[in-house]
Amino acid sequence: NAGVMQNPRHLVRRRGQEARLRCSPMKGHSHVYWYRQLPEEGLKFMVYLQKENIIDESGMPKERFSAEFPKEGPSILRIQQVVRGDSAAYFCASSPPAPNTEAFFGQGTRLTVV
Amino acid sequence: QKEVEQNSGPLSVPEGAIASLNCTYSDRGSQSFFWYRQYSGKSPELIMFIYSNGDKEDGRFTAQLNKASQYVSLLIRDSQPSDSATYLCAVIGGSNYKLTFGKGTLLTVNP
Repeated sequence: NAGVMQNPRHLVRRRGQEARLRCSPMKGHSHVYWYRQLPEEGLKFMVYLQKENIIDESGMPKERFSAEFPKEGPSILRIQQVVRGDSAAYFCASSPPAPNTEAFFGQGTRLTVV
Repeated sequence: QKEVEQNSGPLSVPEGAIASLNCTYSDRGSQSFFWYRQYSGKSPELIMFIYSNGDKEDGRFTAQLNKASQYVSLLIRDSQPSDSATYLCAVIGGSNYKLTFGKGTLLTVNP
């Protein structure tokens, strides 16, 4: 009974490169949230997706960031042309199809931009 | 007004005492309320959820919800040093299903 799986756990990118973060939800879960967390700060909402649909992307920066959750495969958070300020922990959480239900987190991806 | 507000702390209690953590939210239509625990360097872990007004108990944890006051709390009885962590309050809004977090309260339980 695997939980939410994120990979990679750690990712180092040079400025200007692309970062791809993957999230496989728990079995039976069709909704995924992505959050960013800076050291000593709270979880900042980025995007909420269901399969093949973005429900709410109000927390996503307008440029360089995109997210998808295809019918098959993991959800992907993509950051193009990374800058040092993108260095953070990125967490995804998954929840079942029913609204207002609990969300469970993956272990996170720590992105470091050098 | 922030959507979900918590005292940042730190909150320090002696071992064996009751720790009380508080949270307020702005969206009166919110339906679901959660408490997560996050140890330093780790991911958030769900410890309690509550949907109806009143109290919900699970072991040493009690969640309390008052929708009229837009207030959620978490009580930890017989606090242990292993309870030392940041506690995050989270709310699912009424108009969408976005799960929004407060900034968290750092709890330290002193042996």
